[in-house]
Amino acid sequence: AQKITQTQPGMFVQEKEAVTLDCTYDTSDQSYGLFWYKQPSSGEMIFLIYQGSYDEQNATEGRYSLNFQKARKSANLVISASQLGDSAMYFCAMREAPSDDSWGKLQFGAGTQVVVTP
Amino acid sequence: ETGVTQTPRHLVMGMTNKKSLKCEQHLGHNAMYWYKQSAKKPLELMFVYSLEERVENNSVPSRFSPECPNSSHLFLHLHTLQPEDSALYLCASSRDSYGYTFGSGTRLTVV
Repeated sequence: AQKITQTQPGMFVQEKEAVTLDCTYDTSDQSYGLFWYKQPSSGEMIFLIYQGSYDEQNATEGRYSLNFQKARKSANLVISASQLGDSAMYFCAMREAPSDDSWGKLQFGAGTQVVVTP
Repeated sequence: ETGVTQTPRHLVMGMTNKKSLKCEQHLGHNAMYWYKQSAKKPLELMFVYSLEERVENNSVPSRFSPECPNSSHLFLHLHTLQPEDSALYLCASSRDSYGYTFGSGTRLTVV
């Protein structure tokens, strides 16, 4: 079963505007981590931001912030003041706590393609 | 320099060839991973190695054979591949429960 859902396959955003990328997740664990990665056309997966399930405050990293709503199991990424270099694929991912039958692997959503226009 | 280095960046191989993908990290991480990324599909975890021991193998066909000789190096040996195996192969490493650091990937084309 898909554990990470990203419902927006693609988005256009104008330069200097903010954009919100949706992510919902499914887990019965109390301890887990949520991640966002950026993948430009070169292929490399670049870590952007992390939110722990016990963190009470939303994570922020420069122009990236994570809108964490635990009860709704959502972890939306907000990119403020978009730049042309932000054009890329964005992946939401979750890592659950290791268990007997799971290494606690990082599981990814299908991704959202963001295109920033001048 | 990402900390995780993958070679080659691009590979074209015939269905009868044998080739290997290489991944190297010097971040002091204790786990390494192979992912496959096909067009229009989510990333698929293929193999997980923790402290050089394979801990997970997600029903990957035997034409893919991983090798982890030490905690810094990970290989993916390829033989008799099919055209549908064409994809971006990403290597990653991690330490304990933290997030992964990825390499730049090897873009594989099977002809």
